[in-house]
Amino acid sequence: GAGVSQSPSNKVTEKGKDVELRCDPISGHTALYWYRQSLGQGLEFLIYFQGNSAPDKSGLPSDRFSAERTGGSVSTLTIQRTQQEDSAVYLCASSSTSGLSTDTQYFGPGTRLTVL
Amino acid sequence: AQSVTQLDSHVSVSEGTPVLLRCNYSSSYSPSLFWYVQHPNKGLQLLLKYTSAATLVKGINGFEAEFKKSETSFHLTKPSAHMSDAAEYFCVVRISNFGNEKLTFGTGTRLTIIP
Repeated sequence: GAGVSQSPSNKVTEKGKDVELRCDPISGHTALYWYRQSLGQGLEFLIYFQGNSAPDKSGLPSDRFSAERTGGSVSTLTIQRTQQEDSAVYLCASSSTSGLSTDTQYFGPGTRLTVL
Repeated sequence: AQSVTQLDSHVSVSEGTPVLLRCNYSSSYSPSLFWYVQHPNKGLQLLLKYTSAATLVKGINGFEAEFKKSETSFHLTKPSAHMSDAAEYFCVVRISNFGNEKLTFGTGTRLTIIP
């Protein structure tokens, strides 16, 4: 079946512009996660959604970052006034978790963001 | 709090020889542990996971990992390396607590296979 998809696959933007990154989780998966993979920083947790609510926003690096999820499906990560340090690969994952830590997360291919 | 330490940022082995990628973790709760692999220009793929069942876990592509609570380790091994194993490997600890999910990734180990 279809996996997690993300769009765009690549995004180049100028410093100060806003960008929107989209994630389509696996159908039926209630949990959705955003991560950032930066050169030399490894993988960094950003935010987690259970349904449409986000019980854990602790990973968002600044108030320029926001995310929403509507209809319990598609999620959008928005970065306002982008900075060069925002350049990274942004990964989305989904799982069918019901609160069990055993549920596997399935990752999308990522969006490579380059801020010039 | 939880943390993951991958002890080697880069491992090189010859094709056909054993692979050992080391991972240590700390967690206040009983964790689930995962190994993910990321090939160049590809997404993350699950290799295997430990979920409090058998401590020796077998994954895809001949990889396996053993959960050792006394050593707080979850090292990844493979008896014989193949060229296609060259990739970045991430050890991950996951806690689910009162509906909150927390996934913590190690910094990754880049595996190079020498022909």
